Amino acid sequence: AQKITQTQPGMFVQEKEAVTLDCTYDTSDPSYGLFWYKQPSSGEMIFLIYQGSYDQQNATEGRYSLNFQKARKSANLVISASQLGDSAMYFCAMREGEGERDDKIIFGKGTRLHILP
Amino acid sequence: EADIYQTPRYLVIGTGKKITLECSQTMGHDKMYWYQQDPGMELHLIHYSYGVNSTEKGDLSSESTVSRIRTEHFPLTLESARPSHTSQYLCASSEVREEETQYFGPGTRLLVL
Repeated sequence: AQKITQTQPGMFVQEKEAVTLDCTYDTSDPSYGLFWYKQPSSGEMIFLIYQGSYDQQNATEGRYSLNFQKARKSANLVISASQLGDSAMYFCAMREGEGERDDKIIFGKGTRLHILP
Repeated sequence: EADIYQTPRYLVIGTGKKITLECSQTMGHDKMYWYQQDPGMELHLIHYSYGVNSTEKGDLSSESTVSRIRTEHFPLTLESARPSHTSQYLCASSEVREEETQYFGPGTRLLVL
């Protein structure tokens, strides 16, 4: 079974609109972390935002915020006021455990976001 | 900005050649990773390391091998390249802690003819 599910293979959004990229996860571990990465066409992976399972508030980083709904096991990424430079692949990822030596991070299949001028 | 480097950035090579993809980081991170990613697809973990002299295979079986003789260096070697090895290879590193953000290198795009 998929541990990380991103149901939107691709999205087209008008510039300056807000965007929500969906991510649901599956874990029985009470301690975990959720990440979002951006991958432009150049190929590098850029860390955007992190949410710990025990964090009470939703994480925010500039125009990025993570809509963390623990009961639903969802961790959607919200990009406010989208820009042309936001066009990229976006990956949701999860680390199970408390950041121990043998923890691994599992990535979703990604969502390709296209921002239209 | 992350201090993790990969060379070469692009490599075109013939079948049967031995290749080594270099990855180094200057952040003192104990954990390092190699991912394989086909264009527009998800990342697959092929190798990881907890520290010096530690290497583990990832979730995706790979014919490549890795070594970790120094903390900062985690090279990946293919003894005999094949067209099926054509892909992008991403190296990453992280600290051992709760917010285990992985920092990625720029990647190596490999084409085996």
